[in-house]
Amino acid sequence: AQSVAQPEDQVNVAEGNPLTVKCTYSVSGNPYLFWYVQYPNRGLQFLLKYITGDNLVKGSYGFEAEFNKSQTSFHLKKPSALVSDSALYFCAVRSRGSTLGRLYFGRGTQLTVWP
Amino acid sequence: SAVISQKPSRDICQRGTSLTIQCQVDSQVTMMFWYRQQPGQSLTLIATANQGSEATYESGFVIDKFPISRPNLTFSTLTVSNMSPEDSSIYLCSVERGTGTGELFFGEGSRLTVL
Repeated sequence: AQSVAQPEDQVNVAEGNPLTVKCTYSVSGNPYLFWYVQYPNRGLQFLLKYITGDNLVKGSYGFEAEFNKSQTSFHLKKPSALVSDSALYFCAVRSRGSTLGRLYFGRGTQLTVWP
Repeated sequence: SAVISQKPSRDICQRGTSLTIQCQVDSQVTMMFWYRQQPGQSLTLIATANQGSEATYESGFVIDKFPISRPNLTFSTLTVSNMSPEDSSIYLCSVERGTGTGELFFGEGSRLTVL
């Protein structure tokens, strides 16, 4: 069975500080991993993905994520948070060989960046 | 990136009625995906819609409850039938961004409230 866990419902950081949003996953075989962001009353926007290769992937808006196979984690990071980063963040996984659109999402982490 | 338009963006419905959600994409795509986001929950794939064939439903979702049409390569509809308050959710249409990227591009969703 495939699943994604985002252990923190909320993450609060001060603007300018580094941020981390945690994600761990369970999937058979090697995973495809994704981060999406959802702003209020908007659809999901793609941030970044890990398919293969370098464990550190860089995405939109200065975000990056590190794939750690031994810990089955894919934490989202940003060196310096902005107030405009405040949003709901979803981690998602898909196993290789599964249907293209069959992503398993975590429950989401609400990030609040305060000035 | 594809532009996905969903209608309605939101609606309030009475118990026992049905509502059809439309999804229009500005480019031809092979597969379209319908997701549900229940309040405070993660996203769950309902079904995959291919043009010219019946939709493929995920475990827990049935055609009688969520009939899907896919008349051409740019359009799909999802009907939520015989609604109950438990069907109150955001319903999202999605397509793959580009070809072979594995990334899903989402519409802004249709927020349904069932009274």
